Amino acid sequence: GAVVSQHPSRVICKSGTSVKIECRSLDFQATTMFWYRQFPKQSLMLMATSNEGSKATYEQGVEKDKFLINHASLTLSTLTVTSAHPEDSSFYICSAKASTSGGSETQYFGPGTRLLVL
Amino acid sequence: GQNIDQPTEMTATEGAIVQINCTYQTSGFNGLFWYQQHAGEAPTFLSYNVLDGLEEKGRFSSFLSRSKGYSYLLLKELQMKDSASYLCAAMDSNYQLIWGAGTKLIIKP
Repeated sequence: GAVVSQHPSRVICKSGTSVKIECRSLDFQATTMFWYRQFPKQSLMLMATSNEGSKATYEQGVEKDKFLINHASLTLSTLTVTSAHPEDSSFYICSAKASTSGGSETQYFGPGTRLLVL
Repeated sequence: GQNIDQPTEMTATEGAIVQINCTYQTSGFNGLFWYQQHAGEAPTFLSYNVLDGLEEKGRFSSFLSRSKGYSYLLLKELQMKDSASYLCAAMDSNYQLIWGAGTKLIIKP
């Protein structure tokens, strides 16, 4: 259980275009999903927390107009990188919060999307 | 401030045991997570501790001491496939994960 999918796995786009990344919880409902980016050899950096039915909460320094997040249903959150530039090239990873059998909550990660902006 | 410390890199031998330490300082505490991340892939969940003590899961065990703000991940009978980065993350009072920078574990034959 607790499988999270992400699509696409890799995308190459031209500078100035927009890219949409989908994150789906396949076998559970996730009221909260998280979007991270990770640069090579660095740790995960939380970009925003996505809550179903409400606006996303962005971390300091993350432009909400550039990284549009829509949590349309309990199983789907999307991240749109608008007017992408080469510096947006990164590994984008989503995670969804799920309850474990022990009653705790943990995050399960999607496989990630590698974005390259030319 | 909130902070997670773990070693940057460790090297161990196939078949041996390795312990990866993590210390944390957070505003409130709702548990300590360990994740494994292979190069170029997303992290995968390994363990969760919220009470003091040792949790064992096969070859992997995780320990927590809340009073010391300390955890470790113990890997036994190391295999080459265990070469990866191991991320320690503490959950604060707002249920947000505070991430360490990760420990790169290199396994040698």
